[in-house]
Amino acid sequence: EPEVTQTPSHQVTQMGQEVILRCVPISNHLYFYWYRQILGQKVEFLVSFYNNEISEKSEIFDDQFSVERPDGSNFTLKIRSTKLEDSAMYFCASTEPTGTNSPLHFGNGTRLTVT
Amino acid sequence: AQSVTQLDSQVPVFEEAPVELRCNYSSSVSVYLFWYVQYPNQGLQLLLKYLSGSTLVKGINGFEAEFNKSQTSFHLRKPSVHISDTAEYFCAVSDTNTGGFKTIFGAGTRLFVKA
Repeated sequence: EPEVTQTPSHQVTQMGQEVILRCVPISNHLYFYWYRQILGQKVEFLVSFYNNEISEKSEIFDDQFSVERPDGSNFTLKIRSTKLEDSAMYFCASTEPTGTNSPLHFGNGTRLTVT
Repeated sequence: AQSVTQLDSQVPVFEEAPVELRCNYSSSVSVYLFWYVQYPNQGLQLLLKYLSGSTLVKGINGFEAEFNKSQTSFHLRKPSVHISDTAEYFCAVSDTNTGGFKTIFGAGTRLFVKA
């Protein structure tokens, strides 16, 4: 079964550094998402992306965050200047082109640790 | 804006006993409803979904959920749990207005099945 893959599985960075989290969504999917989960807390929506532009974003997704689909397969989340509170598990997800009520297919996540 | 409340943060239960994980939502428009499961160190996987039609939906691993519009609930049930059902369960909602570009998750319920 096709999968969403995320790399790296664990990223450690120093406060103030830029970090890029990478995702390869399922190949025929057209809608892409980033979520994050701070340890022990709820899964929080960050951003959705369709047709090469952001569809929706949350209040968490401020100017420090950006997303990009640089080619036909990758979908990246960049955090420009990381803060301690950005430490979390970041999940990429994608949905089928059949409709936006399709369920999310998640990757296994990237654990970001900011020191 | 929609929101999701999972009323129990942890549910301990003995193996082969029935279980119900509770979920309530609020939204000003019609919604799509989902339950996802997260095993340790993994991403979220879809258990079941309600889009329209029959209010009782069946999912994988013997789980089912019932949509109750008047009570704005979507409780998850299983008649007999196994040790392998130990995991975190998330209720999620997306509304028909945004077309599902933004799926909101509850805080999660940790199901712990004891032998």
